[in-house]
Amino acid sequence: AQSVTQPDIHITVSEGASLELRCNYSYGATPYLFWYVQSPGQGLQLLLKYFSGDTLVQGIKGFEAEFKRSQSSFNLRKPSVHWSDAAEYFCAVGAGGTYKYIFGTGTRLKVLA
Amino acid sequence: SAVISQKPSRDICQRGTSLTIQCQVDSQVTMMFWYRQQPGQSLTLIATANQGSEATYESGFVIDKFPISRPNLTFSTLTVSNMSPEDSSIYLCSVEDSLAGGDEQYFGPGTRLTVT
Repeated sequence: AQSVTQPDIHITVSEGASLELRCNYSYGATPYLFWYVQSPGQGLQLLLKYFSGDTLVQGIKGFEAEFKRSQSSFNLRKPSVHWSDAAEYFCAVGAGGTYKYIFGTGTRLKVLA
Repeated sequence: SAVISQKPSRDICQRGTSLTIQCQVDSQVTMMFWYRQQPGQSLTLIATANQGSEATYESGFVIDKFPISRPNLTFSTLTVSNMSPEDSSIYLCSVEDSLAGGDEQYFGPGTRLTVT
């Protein structure tokens, strides 16, 4: 069965520091992978997606993620965090053709000034 | 990408009553989805709504509790029936943007429901 694990419930970083949010998935075939961000009181905004091809994908707001098949991971990274990045981040896996997403439990990011 | 709006943005309701949430998209889409996000939790898919057919419900969700309408390609409603405090959640609709060429979904801003 499909599943998504985000091991870190909360992460705190200082503004300007680098960031890596972890995501591990379980899926029998090559998955479609997504990262979404949810700011307080807001809906979800798509940061980036991986369907196939280059395993390093670039997204909006300076984020990138790397698909590692051998580790079943799709970690999100940003070289320098801004205070406005404080939000909750969700990793999701989609079964191509069924359009069903499975979401991880989310990682709440706090940014220290 | 599709622009999605939801009404109401939030509501406080008494137990035993029902609330209908509207989802409007600025372009025609084939597939629309309804999710629930309970406090401090992740998103759980309630059902998939395709125009012209009955909604497909996920395990643990039933039509009598969450009836869904999809009258056209830009609009859908979700009703939360006979509410209890356990229904207090954020309800989000999303659409699959087939024009983007892949299985990516775009989400509305959500409806925050509190049941007292």
